[in-house]
Amino acid sequence: SQKIEQNSEALNIQEGKTATLTCNYTNYSPAYLQWYRQDPGRGPVFLLLIRENEKEKRKERLKVTFDTTLKQSLFHITASQPADSATYLCALPQGNLIFGKGTKLSVKP
Amino acid sequence: DVKVTQSSRYLVKRTGEKVFLECVQDMDHENMFWYRQDPGLGLRLIYFSYDVKMKEKGDIPEGYSVSREKKERFSLILESASTNQTSMYLCASSLAFGATHEQYFGPGTRLTVT
Repeated sequence: SQKIEQNSEALNIQEGKTATLTCNYTNYSPAYLQWYRQDPGRGPVFLLLIRENEKEKRKERLKVTFDTTLKQSLFHITASQPADSATYLCALPQGNLIFGKGTKLSVKP
Repeated sequence: DVKVTQSSRYLVKRTGEKVFLECVQDMDHENMFWYRQDPGLGLRLIYFSYDVKMKEKGDIPEGYSVSREKKERFSLILESASTNQTSMYLCASSLAFGATHEQYFGPGTRLTVT
């Protein structure tokens, strides 16, 4: 079965820098991949979906890439702000969605 | 805006009690899901439903049951609560099965079983 690896449990960066989070999967390339944001004590909130035939997707300061050769998606936040501090989850379909364990991003002022 | 609500944010129950967690969505979504989330383990699917009165086991259904009598409401039942069921429980809904639709999550219920 498919496994998702978000290989950084935590990422600390300085305000204004670009945060890059990684999501790797182990088996077949999924038809799409989703990214969610989760704040402490709250449910995840959907951010972006990228399909396998899309190399890149953007939404405001967010950019997601999908490399089926590397079996990897990268999630970038440019000009990061303290308000971007949260846990970011990637998810891909296996029947339903399966979720990675997340990367906790901390943006320091 | 899609809204998914859960009946309680925090709940404390005793071992052996029967526990009901309620979830309601207001967007006429077909699919509803129950997850639990634990540190280091991530989100794990307990049960899901893709239609009224339909239910399917997820990855960790043991010790749980569900009920979906109306499209907008999906209930999770802990028949006899145990301490290892202490967790954050998250309900979610999505438009349709097998599509690329995102899941909308409720705020979560933090259940403590003592």
